[in-house]
Amino acid sequence: GQQVMQIPQYQHVQEGEDFTTYCNSSTTLSNIQWYKQRPGGHPVFLIQLVKSGEVKKQKRLTFQFGEAKKNSSLHITATQTTDVGTYFCRTSNTGKLIFGQGTTLQVKP
Amino acid sequence: DTAVSQTPKYLVTQMGNDKSIKCEQNLGHDTMYWYKQDSKKFLKIMFSYNNKELIINETVPNRFSPKSPDKAHLNLHINSLELGDSAVYFCASSQEVQGPSTDTQYFGPGTRLTVL
Repeated sequence: GQQVMQIPQYQHVQEGEDFTTYCNSSTTLSNIQWYKQRPGGHPVFLIQLVKSGEVKKQKRLTFQFGEAKKNSSLHITATQTTDVGTYFCRTSNTGKLIFGQGTTLQVKP
Repeated sequence: DTAVSQTPKYLVTQMGNDKSIKCEQNLGHDTMYWYKQDSKKFLKIMFSYNNKELIINETVPNRFSPKSPDKAHLNLHINSLELGDSAVYFCASSQEVQGPSTDTQYFGPGTRLTVL
């Protein structure tokens, strides 16, 4: 079945550095969603991408959907300690909802 | 004001016991879900209900039985608890617009289950 590979699993950055997490699929995705889970918290919806090559921005966060709709990325510019958490991509296959393995971001002040 | 609520927040119990986790959403959504998050933070869907009807039932031991008395509630009952059941269980809900793949999911705060 379809799997979504998310990398890296962990990332430690100094505050002010940039951060990127990637989700890759071997099959074409109809859409992709991104969620953030703070430590001890629950996943919270960030954004959805649907169109090929789509780019969306939320303040310091930039989300991209690949031209072939097989990969997506979340980029954070100039990380802050409030960005700490685990970022998940989510897609679906024949109605089944699939989450990536998550990328846990640690930010050193 | 909590959109999706779960009780209890923490649950510590002995192997072999039976326990239930309750979930309620006040968003008026049609679809509710149960997820299991293991120690490596991997989120795996267990069940999905739409208007009280089961629509997704992943490969989950039949010791796990969801029950939806109405579309605002989805409870999870677990029989004969095992050590491997220790995890955080999240309830979620969504409003079907174009289909589950595009629906935004709203998660509850989670229930941390520890089986001793």
